[in-house]
Amino acid sequence: KAGVTQTPRYLIKTRGQQVTLSCSPISGHRSVSWYQQTPGQGLQFLFEYFSETQRNKGNFPGRFSGRQFSNSRSEMNVSTLELGDSALYLCASSLARETGELFFGEGSRLTVL
Amino acid sequence: GENVEQHPSTLSVQEGDSAVIKCTYSDSASNYFPWYKQELGKGPQLIIDIRSNVGEKKDQRIAVTLNKTAKHFSLHITETQPEDSAVYFCAARISSGSARQLTFGSGTQLTVLP
Repeated sequence: KAGVTQTPRYLIKTRGQQVTLSCSPISGHRSVSWYQQTPGQGLQFLFEYFSETQRNKGNFPGRFSGRQFSNSRSEMNVSTLELGDSALYLCASSLARETGELFFGEGSRLTVL
Repeated sequence: GENVEQHPSTLSVQEGDSAVIKCTYSDSASNYFPWYKQELGKGPQLIIDIRSNVGEKKDQRIAVTLNKTAKHFSLHITETQPEDSAVYFCAARISSGSARQLTFGSGTQLTVLP
């Protein structure tokens, strides 16, 4: 069974640009969560989607947004990029909201110059 | 919100020795506690988890213990091997209301010396 797939794996952007990251969950998994990982702040929750609806959102500005499609694939978007947005963005999927086990992808490493 | 503290931040052990990583959480409503291993350039991998109705769980060389009263849980790795070298994260999850997210500890860099 294929794991969580994230694209692109690496990308470089400049301040003010916007970026879209994609995540394909494990087949059959309906819940997708996004996390930001930085050396200073560690792993921080961005948002969670289930059945195409955002169920929960972390403490991030409105520049961070996401969506989930009917096939459970998810995208997240960051607009008006800032230097501090440089991070590893991790997508995780789980079978259902109550099961708990999150399976992470390899992440998308974003560098903002 | 939930706060998870993890210690130590770095840990070096000799191959074959045991390693212990400890975490404390703040919210007594947390009921799920996973541990993740992250190797360089990869995403976190779930290695073991425990729910609040269980005090201990083992999987080969790995075990996790949970003390709900004290609000702390620990990861124990026995007979460590060089391939155990990685960053380990503990996490806690509250399942109340709409919240389902994991709150992570700050990580422990484990180095197993050959």
